[in-house]
Amino acid sequence: EIVLTQSPGTLSLSPGERATLSCRASQSVSSSYLAWYQQKPGQAPRLLFYGASSRATGIPDRFSGSGSGTDFTLTISRLEPEDFAVYYCQQYGSSPPTFGGGTKVEIK
Amino acid sequence: QVQLQESGPGPVKPSETLSLTCTVSGGSISSYYWSWIRQSPGKGLEWIGYIYYSGSTNYNPSLKSRVTISVDTSKNQFSLKLSSVTAADTAVYYCARGSWLLTLWGQGTLVTVSS
Repeated sequence: EIVLTQSPGTLSLSPGERATLSCRASQSVSSSYLAWYQQKPGQAPRLLFYGASSRATGIPDRFSGSGSGTDFTLTISRLEPEDFAVYYCQQYGSSPPTFGGGTKVEIK
Repeated sequence: QVQLQESGPGPVKPSETLSLTCTVSGGSISSYYWSWIRQSPGKGLEWIGYIYYSGSTNYNPSLKSRVTISVDTSKNQFSLKLSSVTAADTAVYYCARGSWLLTLWGQGTLVTVSS
């Protein structure tokens, strides 16, 4: 199965700053079938992106996704207070679908 | 809007079978795939398997020998059974819409395996 490694584990930033999150796959992700989810404490994950760069419904454009092959990036251009959360990448191009270990974006 | 809600009987003893149900409200269970995922501190997020409304299934090979997912379209519900549980199966269990891409999630339910 494909192993996803997310870095950094924790990102300490201030509101208004730019966040760059990385997701690296152990082998190429088929057809860029890479998704990003946001999870806040006590809540379920929420889909942010699919197909590496397609925003899910209702996701603001300060969020962007990019990448292909084995290297993917989630960028938040200007952090809002509600963006502090844990972010997970997931590949869904090969069975079984797998998740990364997550990056926590915390308030500095 | 469509909402998903997990429900289950509570704590489970080792070697017993974990049973959970997901109720879909605000929309039909038909024409979609539906999945179970779990999250534990030790293993992170783990996809368990999916079922199509027609009944076809696909399971994670790591759990396949112990997992059964079923659907009841008349009740707009689908269910998870995980047999021979151990403490390693303690996790928050989520139901979600989708097969491998999970577009909508329930709030999750904590299942503790303990004697």
